[in-house]
Amino acid sequence: EMQLVDSGGGLVQPGGSLRLSCAAFGFTFDTYWMTWVRQAPGKGPEWVASINPDGSDKYYVDSVKGRFTIFRDNAKNSLVLQLNSLRAEDTALYHCMGTGRYAFWGQGSLVTVSS
Amino acid sequence: VVTQEPSMTVSPGGTVTLTCVSSTGSVTNSNYPYWFQQKPGQAPRTLIYDTSLKFSWTPARFSGSLIGGKATLTLSGAQPEDEAVYYCSFAFGGVGVFGGGTRLTVL
Repeated sequence: EMQLVDSGGGLVQPGGSLRLSCAAFGFTFDTYWMTWVRQAPGKGPEWVASINPDGSDKYYVDSVKGRFTIFRDNAKNSLVLQLNSLRAEDTALYHCMGTGRYAFWGQGSLVTVSS
Repeated sequence: VVTQEPSMTVSPGGTVTLTCVSSTGSVTNSNYPYWFQQKPGQAPRTLIYDTSLKFSWTPARFSGSLIGGKATLTLSGAQPEDEAVYYCSFAFGGVGVFGGGTRLTVL
């Protein structure tokens, strides 16, 4: 069965860090772009970051540039989002998502930034 | 900026077309339009990718296309369970952008 399983969320103070992980199952992970999407409570989805199949090309929404890093380990079928210098406005449910024919969503990891 | 109708209403069994427009100009297949459905308390689910391609779980009554430089999602034969918020997204190079969503009421 093809699926994405998100993990790693939690409660963190402003300025803190978290690492989100996404495990991919049942498809050729290393041939597709992967993305992170977040959805704040009561808001629509927001694209956060994307990475190309071999990990050499990365893109970020302006609000997270310099604070978040996306990377992947194709040997482990794993996608990671490192979140640093977290702010209250980063509070959201974070989903990994595939692209193209594998554009399904992980169940999400909740990140809460609060003192 | 990606713009969608804030809300639309369709009668059961009726047909409705949702649109998705880019402020940068005409949408093309190179923007890889997606359509997502989100029901209360659930994660979004992808219905359409690459303008018009469907997943195995996408009901046949949904179809995607490009018309007049806009991405469109047409629902033909609306069912009560289609009541949801629908989001589109485009890719601009490696950067993705979501629309604000259309709340579809089946009434």
